[in-house]
Amino acid sequence: GNSVTQMEGPVTLSEEAFLTINCTYTATGYPSLFWYVQYPGEGLQLLLKATKADDKGSNKGFEATYRKETTSFHLEKGSVQVSDSAVYFCALSDTGTASKLTFGTGTRLQVTL
Amino acid sequence: ETGVTQTPRHLVMGMTNKKSLKCEQHLGHNAMYWYKQSAKKPLELMFVYSLEERVENNSVPSRFSPECPNSSHLFLHLHTLQPEDSALYLCASSQERMNTEAFFGQGTRLTVV
Repeated sequence: GNSVTQMEGPVTLSEEAFLTINCTYTATGYPSLFWYVQYPGEGLQLLLKATKADDKGSNKGFEATYRKETTSFHLEKGSVQVSDSAVYFCALSDTGTASKLTFGTGTRLQVTL
Repeated sequence: ETGVTQTPRHLVMGMTNKKSLKCEQHLGHNAMYWYKQSAKKPLELMFVYSLEERVENNSVPSRFSPECPNSSHLFLHLHTLQPEDSALYLCASSQERMNTEAFFGQGTRLTVV
């Protein structure tokens, strides 16, 4: 079956530090890959996505590249802000739609001044 | 209102109670979902409704009973729950086509005592 593995958190960084959150996946076929973010007390929001190999998703300074050869979709940001503190979820959908998302366990990011 | 709205935001119920969670989407989507979010576990897809018909039920205990009366509303009826059912229950919706994203509500924090 499908699965998503994320690095365990929490990740604690100082403001303006570089962020990497690792994500690897196992799936049949050619899944679409997503990063969702959950701010405190909120539901999940789509942060970025990539639908085929070598695609790069980007939003709000965050980037992730779909690497089929390493089955990875690592999230990066060059300079984090306190407002980026949240839980980040990597997910995949092997149907190409959002209907059957498989999520990782989430990685909590805490950014301090 | 726009987006996906869930009520109530918080619910405390005894093991013998019967309660219902409500989800409403104002996005014109044709698919709705219930997810369970427990601490340190991946989000679990519970139920999927597409065009108001249940298309997936991931081995969820019968004490959880979904209802989708129309494409904008989704309910989760709860009865005789167990303390381990305490979690954040998230509703989501999407439009069933390729590469679309799911929009999530803020969730209902359920505590079973």
